[in-house]
Amino acid sequence: GDSVTQMEGPVTLSEEAFLTINCTYTATGYPSLFWYVQYPGEGLQLLLKATKADDKGSNKGFEATYRKETTSFHLEKGSVQVSDSAVYFCALGRGSQGNLIFGKGTKLSVKP
Amino acid sequence: SAVISQKPSRDICQRGTSLTIQCQVDSQVTMMFWYRQQPGQSLTLIATANQGSEATYESGFVIDKFPISRPNLTFSTLTVSNMSPEDSSIYLCSVEDRGGSGANVLTFGAGSRLTVL
Repeated sequence: GDSVTQMEGPVTLSEEAFLTINCTYTATGYPSLFWYVQYPGEGLQLLLKATKADDKGSNKGFEATYRKETTSFHLEKGSVQVSDSAVYFCALGRGSQGNLIFGKGTKLSVKP
Repeated sequence: SAVISQKPSRDICQRGTSLTIQCQVDSQVTMMFWYRQQPGQSLTLIATANQGSEATYESGFVIDKFPISRPNLTFSTLTVSNMSPEDSSIYLCSVEDRGGSGANVLTFGAGSRLTVL
């Protein structure tokens, strides 16, 4: 069945460091791919998405490119801030079923 | 995006009791989804609730344990029955965003954090 494999955390970085969180998927067809973020004490919210191969999703300085050949959707940010400290979830869309399959989440802590 | 209200936001429950979580959406939606997030874990889909039909449960979840109601297009309830400490989780309601963001974009409620003693 469909699945998402996400880099294990936690990840601790200094402010202004480069961030990569790896995400790979297994799916039939070409699902939409997502990154969701959960800030401390807050609900889950969409960070970015890509709906087809070679699409790049971007938001708040974060980027991820839908790579069909490597079945990957890695999240990157060039310079992280303390305010980026959160748990990041990679997710895969289940098409007509409407829902998402989530990875295990990666906790990011950014130190000043 | 839809705005989702969940009640209760948190509760402490005794073993063997049942609790019903309510989910109210500010717009009409076809499908509503119930997820569970166990401590330190990812989100797992419990079931899909369509108005006017029985909920569809994912593998490992059964109606007797997690009965769901969907009386109209803006409201759903999830009951966690005969609770045990293993049911301590955050339960989240979500809907598909039809605000032009594209298919499969889900909006989530803030969640209901249940602690079972």
